[in-house]
Amino acid sequence: KNEVEQSPQNLTAQEGEFITINCSYSVGISALHWLQQHPGGGIVSLFMLSSGKKKHGRLIATINIQEKHSSLHITASHPRDSAVYICAVSNTGNQFYFGTGTSLTVIP
Amino acid sequence: NAGVTQTPKFRVLKTGQSMTLLCAQDMNHEYMYWYRQDPGMGLRLIHYSVGEGTTAKGEVPDGYNVSRLKKQNFLLGLESAAPSQTSVYFCASGRGILVSNQPQHFGDGTRLSIL
Repeated sequence: KNEVEQSPQNLTAQEGEFITINCSYSVGISALHWLQQHPGGGIVSLFMLSSGKKKHGRLIATINIQEKHSSLHITASHPRDSAVYICAVSNTGNQFYFGTGTSLTVIP
Repeated sequence: NAGVTQTPKFRVLKTGQSMTLLCAQDMNHEYMYWYRQDPGMGLRLIHYSVGEGTTAKGEVPDGYNVSRLKKQNFLLGLESAAPSQTSVYFCASGRGILVSNQPQHFGDGTRLSIL
């Protein structure tokens, strides 16, 4: 069973397009995290949120606690946004559950 | 400004060999984690530590041991390497969920192949 499900698994977009990646989870959480993994393998934390919406540059993350759903949006996508985006949730038991990731390719 | 540093970055082992992966963080974080990442699967927690001298099992602990003798270091040992342990290993650190709900900081990964 997967506590965290992401969709789509793979996504190809033209530069400039608006992109949405979805994450659904089935466990109680204290926070939801969006991570970015570049082709070189390094992982960086983009957002951590427990309610509402957060924005950082062209990235926007939203969460609906009642529906157990989060979305990551990228506005005006650029080839440098090409990466794997991972959704993860954490709970008060210090457990992290990770989605399998969405592989994004932005074509110039 | 190192953050989380993992050594080595790559390693090839023969079945039955042992080795230790080192993770070092310079952010004074209490919590440290070891994950493995396999194709088609999300990151899976192997072991974690909530402070110096403490360790706890994660989701997939079998075949691994860990030690946290110093706050800044978290070691992952493979006692007798098996091909099923071929994976990319990530170390992460953080202040912990209950303390401040801070995100985790990840190392660059160690690519380990067991022949």
